Amino acid sequence: SYELTQPPSVSVSPGQTARITCSGDALPRKFAYWYQQKSGQAPVVVIYEDSKRPSGIPERFSGSSSGTMATLTISGAQVEDEADYYCFSTDSSGNYRVFGGGTKLTVL
Amino acid sequence: QITLKESGPTLVKPTQTLTLTCTFSGFSLSTSRVGVGWIRQPPGKALEWLALIYWDDDKRYSPSLKSRLTITKDTSKNQVVLTMTNMDPVDTATYYCAHWTLSAAGIQYYFDYWGQGTLVTVSS
Repeated sequence: SYELTQPPSVSVSPGQTARITCSGDALPRKFAYWYQQKSGQAPVVVIYEDSKRPSGIPERFSGSSSGTMATLTISGAQVEDEADYYCFSTDSSGNYRVFGGGTKLTVL
Repeated sequence: QITLKESGPTLVKPTQTLTLTCTFSGFSLSTSRVGVGWIRQPPGKALEWLALIYWDDDKRYSPSLKSRLTITKDTSKNQVVLTMTNMDPVDTATYYCAHWTLSAAGIQYYFDYWGQGTLVTVSS
């Protein structure tokens, strides 16, 4: 099997920078995608292909990837950014499509 | 505008087979390089990918659940159906369907549009 590992929780004060990491052995060769899921809602993609931001996603959301770790950065986090965040990718063989375990972001 | 909606039973008994339907609009499953997938999320837990079907009828399943899953499509009805056999209380979850698309670089797919999800409870 293949796993993507995220920290269970990250907490920041409003206006601070939040960083959420995702580690996986295939990330040097595969893109990471990031999803935001607010309570009771379906996930929404906030970063695709490691660092690209879909239209409509605020500029404070950015992504990067280096080696076996991808990082979602929220610069100047807002209270409305409180949510669960999931990374998503695939293993090198393409057999496993995997979500990370999710990170609960608290902004208060 | 792409939309997807899941439908099916809200309650199933242990050992029964679950059948879920995803009805979508705004795209066609006869268009190359698109697909529809299913993802589930037990209450308070993480997302788990289950299955995919591509425009060309290629199918992929989560290795851990492959023996229990079947995914099919009806292009004329804009529907994708997922069946899961031998349901157990641990299968209680919100089940989502999502649009599967090739991202901009053209080398990897991802889920860009999701349905609202449907909660399925497994209990006798």
